[in-house]
Amino acid sequence: DTEVTQTPKHLVMGMTNKKSLKCEQHMGHRAMYWYKQKAKKPPELMFVYSYEKLSINESVPSRFSPECPNSSLLNLHLHALQPEDSALYLCASSQVQGGSYEQYFGPGTRLTVT
Amino acid sequence: GNSVTQMEGPVTLSEEAFLTINCTYTATGYPSLFWYVQYPGEGLQLLLKATKADDKGSNKGFEATYRKETTSFHLEKGSVQVSDSAVYFCALAYNDMRFGAGTRLTVKP
Repeated sequence: DTEVTQTPKHLVMGMTNKKSLKCEQHMGHRAMYWYKQKAKKPPELMFVYSYEKLSINESVPSRFSPECPNSSLLNLHLHALQPEDSALYLCASSQVQGGSYEQYFGPGTRLTVT
Repeated sequence: GNSVTQMEGPVTLSEEAFLTINCTYTATGYPSLFWYVQYPGEGLQLLLKATKADDKGSNKGFEATYRKETTSFHLEKGSVQVSDSAVYFCALAYNDMRFGAGTRLTVKP
């Protein structure tokens, strides 16, 4: 099974709301990723977790707060977002971080900030 | 640094036409190479991969060969279908993952 699941599929939130995106994988992967994808663009890396520890933060604004409660779960907490944060948020996992391993992606959460 | 360059799109083909999407890469070591496909409203799906020179990845009628001498990994399919309409991303992995800009393919009946 190479499935990564994400919830919710769609999310509309106001600029003062707090919401969370969730991601789950059961492949035993020890690296998990958050990407942001704008229309007609490739995914942009936001965060990497390796063995449940934050390994990379690509200078993402603090209104995005990642969390990795265990090796299968990854959350992205959202607070005080801006309209320009509207995008498709993708979660991915790989066997480990680095090396030449493929990443498996979830279906994404389509976020609209109003 | 490592990078991937894909042919500009969009590409529009008639059903049963031959498809080629060009991809070249720059890497300091020996990366693995991938093609991902993204259907409208969905995430990226791994289409095929190759991990060393001269490897051929294949899946669902798509093929790509890892050419070290030309640093290329072109995607081909002999006969496209309407259902192949999607965005295709070439990617390489060597310590991190780098994506090409993506090529939008539209197949018309």
